[in-house]
This record gives sequence, C-alpha cells and structure tokens, in this order.
Amino acid sequence: AQKITQTQPGMFVQEKEAVTLDCTYDTSDPSYGLFWYKQPSSGEMIFLIYQGSYDQQNATEGRYSLNFQKARKSANLVISASQLGDSAMYFCAMREGPNFGNEKLTFGTGTRLTIIP
Amino acid sequence: DSGVTQTPKHLITATGQRVTLRCSPRSGDLSVYWYQQSLDQGLQFLIHYYNGEERAKGNILERFSAQQFPDLHSELNLSSLELGDSALYFCASSAPGGRGTGELFFGEGSRLTVL
Repeated sequence: AQKITQTQPGMFVQEKEAVTLDCTYDTSDPSYGLFWYKQPSSGEMIFLIYQGSYDQQNATEGRYSLNFQKARKSANLVISASQLGDSAMYFCAMREGPNFGNEKLTFGTGTRLTIIP
Repeated sequence: DSGVTQTPKHLITATGQRVTLRCSPRSGDLSVYWYQQSLDQGLQFLIHYYNGEERAKGNILERFSAQQFPDLHSELNLSSLELGDSALYFCASSAPGGRGTGELFFGEGSRLTVL
C-alpha cells in the first residue's frame, strides 16, 4: 500500500481563492510527522509546514494551514488567498517514528497547482 | 538558501558513462539523504547516511553507490548510465538529535541528463 497518497495530479484555482490539496497517509506507528513541501518550476524543494502526530492543534504558517484529521489519516494543505506565486508542485511527506534526527521522509506523487489570474 | 550544497547543478553525459554527484550538508547536520526525482514524479528515496555510516537503503540500483566521508560530505556514484537514469538528484540533510521537526533541508539538486 502507498504510504502517502495524493489523489489530485493537477488543480487550477482562481487567484485570491482558497485551495485545499489532499493527502492521505498510511502508517501503524503511533508517532509520526507529516510535512508539506513546495517545488516551483525552478526545482528547489521548499518546506512549508509540519504536523506531528501528537499535536493537538492544526499547524499554521502564514497563509498555509494543515487540516489534520487523525482518524481519517488525512493531512490536507490549505492555502488561503492564493497568489500567482503559489503555482508549483506540492508534495506531502511522512516521517514514521519519533524524530531522532535521522529518519527519511516518504513522499507522495505530488499535486501540480496552477493559479489563474 | 537551505545551507545544503550540491554540485554539479547540471550534468550531461552519455549512456554507459559514470558520474559522481557531491553534497555538503548544513553545518552541524550528521545525516545525508539522497533522493531521485524523475520527470514529473515524486521523490524516490535512494539512501541515507548518518555520521559516515549507511543507515537505510531505498530503491537504489546496484549500479549506484554512495558514501559519506569523515567531513560529512557525501558522494553519489552512478555508473553504466542508462537513458532512464536521467533525473533530478537531491541531497538533503536533517538536524541531529531530534532537534526541530525532522524536516529535511534540500539542496538545489543535480540535474542529470543521459543521452
């Protein structure tokens, strides 16, 4: 089974609208971390937001928030008031186990988001 | 700037050749991870080194090998190259001792084109 599933290969959203990018995960480990990265056309990987499995509140970072539904094993990224610069590939990723500083991340296949002026 | 340095940024070579990609992690980071991203694909984990020792292996081909040196920089060696090896190769590092979130800090990648 896929550990990280992103079911939206591509999305088109009008500028200034909010957008939700879906991510579901699969793990039996009670301790894990969920990450979202942005990859613009230039190619670099930019860390956006993190949610720990024991965190009680949904993570927020500026216009980014993570809608964490533990029972459903989903960790959707919400971008409010989208901007043209948000056009990029977005990847959801998971760390299984506690953070000891030496765990790999498993990535989903990504969602290509295009913001329309 | 993530603090992770990768060289070269671009590399064009022919099938059957061998190349070496180099990575310097952020200052103080002990872990180095290598990932492969083929065209319009997600990131596939290749291998992880921690303080000079191999910690985990992913879908790394036998034609590929890696090592981490005492100064903590790492090299990924790709040999007998095939057209399908064309990809963006990322190196990443993470803060030691569980500091922070465990996020990976990525280099800008080495784009390999095999002709």
